[in-house]
Amino acid sequence: AQSVTQLGSHVSVSEGALVLLRCNYSSSVPPYLFWYVQYPNQGLQLLLKYTTGATLVKGINGFEAEFKKSETSFHLTKPSAHMSDAAEYFCAVRDGGATNKLIFGTGTLLAVQP
Amino acid sequence: DAGVIQSPRHEVTEMGQEVTLRCKPISGHDYLFWYRQTMMRGLELLIYFNNNVPIDDSGMPEDRFSAKMPNASFSTLKIQPSEPRDSAVYFCASSGLAGFNEQFFGPGTRLTVL
Repeated sequence: AQSVTQLGSHVSVSEGALVLLRCNYSSSVPPYLFWYVQYPNQGLQLLLKYTTGATLVKGINGFEAEFKKSETSFHLTKPSAHMSDAAEYFCAVRDGGATNKLIFGTGTLLAVQP
Repeated sequence: DAGVIQSPRHEVTEMGQEVTLRCKPISGHDYLFWYRQTMMRGLELLIYFNNNVPIDDSGMPEDRFSAKMPNASFSTLKIQPSEPRDSAVYFCASSGLAGFNEQFFGPGTRLTVL
């Protein structure tokens, strides 16, 4: 069965500091991996995704993530945090089988301190 | 494209009343998902449809909850009778085969049951 673990339900960084949000997955099929962001009072918005090919994936707003098969990880990073990055971030993996179902992690709430 | 459309955006009702939430998926998408988000339980998948047919409703919490998709451009989630513990944000998302499982979320309906 597919699953996602996000380490750290709350992460706090200073403005300008590195952002690192951790995601580990378990999948019995080649994984498709996703990071979504949810700003307050909004729906989830896709940041980036990995399906095949290059393992370093670049997304919107300066975020990127690297797929590491040996570590079953897909950590999200951004070199320099901005106040506007404060939001909740969800990692997801596709479910096995011929569906478009996603398995979501429990989310990480990112706070950015001035 | 206008994206996934949900209505109403906010709903306040009294315990025992019927509540109907509505969703219009992105044109051409053949998967539709209903999620519920609460502080206590996070993001939960309630039910999803493929080509208007319910595929998995194992996440529907009780018989008080029902969902329909009469055509490719409209779905409803109904709660009858509503209870205070149903208070949550309900999201609709849609996806298509060409998107490698990527789901597009609506803005959500914030339901408050008094």
